[in-house]
Amino acid sequence: DQQVKQNSPSLSVQEGRISILNCDYTNSMFDYFLWYKKYPAEGPTFLISISSIKDKNEDGRFTVFLNKSAKHLSLHIVPSQPGDSAVYFCAAMKGSQGNLIFGKGTKLSVKP
Amino acid sequence: DAGVIQSPRHEVTEMGQEVTLRCKPISGHDYLFWYRQTMMRGLELLIYFNNNVPIDDSGMPEDRFSAKMPNASFSTLKIQPSEPRDSAVYFCASSSRVGYTFGSGTRLTVV
Repeated sequence: DQQVKQNSPSLSVQEGRISILNCDYTNSMFDYFLWYKKYPAEGPTFLISISSIKDKNEDGRFTVFLNKSAKHLSLHIVPSQPGDSAVYFCAAMKGSQGNLIFGKGTKLSVKP
Repeated sequence: DAGVIQSPRHEVTEMGQEVTLRCKPISGHDYLFWYRQTMMRGLELLIYFNNNVPIDDSGMPEDRFSAKMPNASFSTLKIQPSEPRDSAVYFCASSSRVGYTFGSGTRLTVV
């Protein structure tokens, strides 16, 4: 059973608009949530994270929102740029170290 | 810092052959992880080490898979014998706190 779910396999957005990527989880014991970005033929790279004690974390154009009661988090990218086109993975972990559990990813396409 | 280094980048082998994937983690990182990426299952954890000791290998699919970490700067993932369903991209990652650094992966094709 998947503990971290990304129900949208793909998303297409116009350049300059907002991209919203969603993620749901089932385990209320997760302490940290992370987003990774992956380009073809490369490994995933860390993008942004949020602790379970917070509900928002912002870094430049990227903001992650956490709704613990709904077991839902989202990544907002504003404004979206063509270089943001990649696969985005949501991940969760218990404690500050240990194994990350990943969703299956959402492929974002930002069109000029 | 060269990051996490994986070799080879691509591997094509015949069914039944032994395959060894290699990983050099970032110096000072005390956790090392092996992941496999497939279309069907996404990124799934196979095994991870802490201070060179295997902590959780429950993700290793079968006895045909084995992993070792003889020292802090090197790990291997071995498949013997390999099967076509093992075809995937295998990632190694290392970590010392929240957030991992991934290698570029090894694309394995078993024909």
